[in-house]
Amino acid sequence: NAGVTQTPKFQVLKTGQSMTLQCAQDMNHEYMSWYRQDPGMGLRLIHYSVGAGITDQGEVPNGYNVSRSTTEDFPLRLLSAAPSQTSVYFCASRPGLAGQEQYFGPGTRLTVT
Amino acid sequence: AQKVTQAQTEISVVEKEDVTLDCVYETRDTTYYLFWYKQPPSGELVFLIRRNSFDEQNEISGRYSWNFQKSTSSFNFTITASQVVDSAVYFCALRPVYNQGGKLVFGQGTELSVKP
Repeated sequence: NAGVTQTPKFQVLKTGQSMTLQCAQDMNHEYMSWYRQDPGMGLRLIHYSVGAGITDQGEVPNGYNVSRSTTEDFPLRLLSAAPSQTSVYFCASRPGLAGQEQYFGPGTRLTVT
Repeated sequence: AQKVTQAQTEISVVEKEDVTLDCVYETRDTTYYLFWYKQPPSGELVFLIRRNSFDEQNEISGRYSWNFQKSTSSFNFTITASQVVDSAVYFCALRPVYNQGGKLVFGQGTELSVKP
């Protein structure tokens, strides 16, 4: 199993550009989520999905879109990048039961200039 | 609402010292899980432990131990005889079982620096 994979590892965008951060998992996990990590703020939930076709907003959803057309993939779209979206982005997945540990991808470091 | 507080932003110790990382949480849920994750300088997040709200037994795993006290809403993490390889950012996190989609709420993290 590859676990949770994310691409790209690094990305630099100009303000106003759009892009998609890719996330895939091969563990047949129901639950997938996106977090952003900023200094001194821990990890904050952007969007999450409890299964294919079902998504919901987390703590900081503004400026981001998601979709979940398959169990395996959960892309995060930035429609019009802003400097405030400079961050490290982590994708995570877990089985449906709440007590299960969450598996994190290696992260994407995004800089918006 | 759920909240996790790690009041210690940075801790610096000398190798072989014991160190305790504090975690205090707030939740109205009666059923929840608590987690600790480690983030070494390489950046990945490594799962360390999971504890459910019905199990207040302390746990020891090698040099790591965890003290869960429901009465004070705390889930502290102690590293005994610290080593340089323990240098990392450590996150405490909370997940309610039944509410809010089972979202994981993180504390701000504690950066531990172990000097030789």
